[in-house]
Amino acid sequence: DIQMTQSPSSVSASVGDRVTITCRASQGISSWLAWYQHKPGKAPKLLIYAASSLQSGVPSRFSGSGSGTDFTLTISSLQPEDFATYSCQQANSLPLTFGGGTKVEIK
Amino acid sequence: QVQLQESGPGLVKPSQTLSLTCTVSGGSISSGSYYWSWIRQPAGKGLEWIGRVHTSGSTNYNPSLKSRVTISRDTSKNQFSLKLNSVTATDSAMYYCARVDVALATHAFDIWGQGTLVTVSS
Repeated sequence: DIQMTQSPSSVSASVGDRVTITCRASQGISSWLAWYQHKPGKAPKLLIYAASSLQSGVPSRFSGSGSGTDFTLTISSLQPEDFATYSCQQANSLPLTFGGGTKVEIK
Repeated sequence: QVQLQESGPGLVKPSQTLSLTCTVSGGSISSGSYYWSWIRQPAGKGLEWIGRVHTSGSTNYNPSLKSRVTISRDTSKNQFSLKLNSVTATDSAMYYCARVDVALATHAFDIWGQGTLVTVSS
């Protein structure tokens, strides 16, 4: 199985801050990486697919980059609705696997 | 707009079978080319992919659960289901159903249900 390691596990930030979350795969996954946002009681939301493609309807302050084993999700200017947990997922091979999640909290 | 909704018992006894259903609305489970998956998240832990069924009916499972899992679809009801047998407390989790649209070539889960919490306890 491909292990996905996210860091940090949590981050405290203020509205307007730039936030960067990293995800590392235990082996190369090309660009087959997705990022999700989840909030309690709500369906998880796809933000980024294929490492850097923005899902339709997702604000442009979200961006993704990377290929191979190292990936990042960046929120350029944190908004109040962005306080949530973010997870990465590799789609290169079965079994599909996720990172442990990063909780973005209010500072 | 396609929506997914999980349903099933919130409490299951140890050693019994956990059975959940995902109802698909706004689209047909048997047309197009989609993977319909089950994913779970134990409290305080990351997401774990359980397995999937394709529009064609073919299935794939996570090897860590394969011996205990069955995922099937009911096209007449536009639903797909999860059965996990011989459950223990470690199977307590929020269970989600989700979709991958093969035609979009994103290889990502673009639609999720809101999740259903299952607790395994006597």
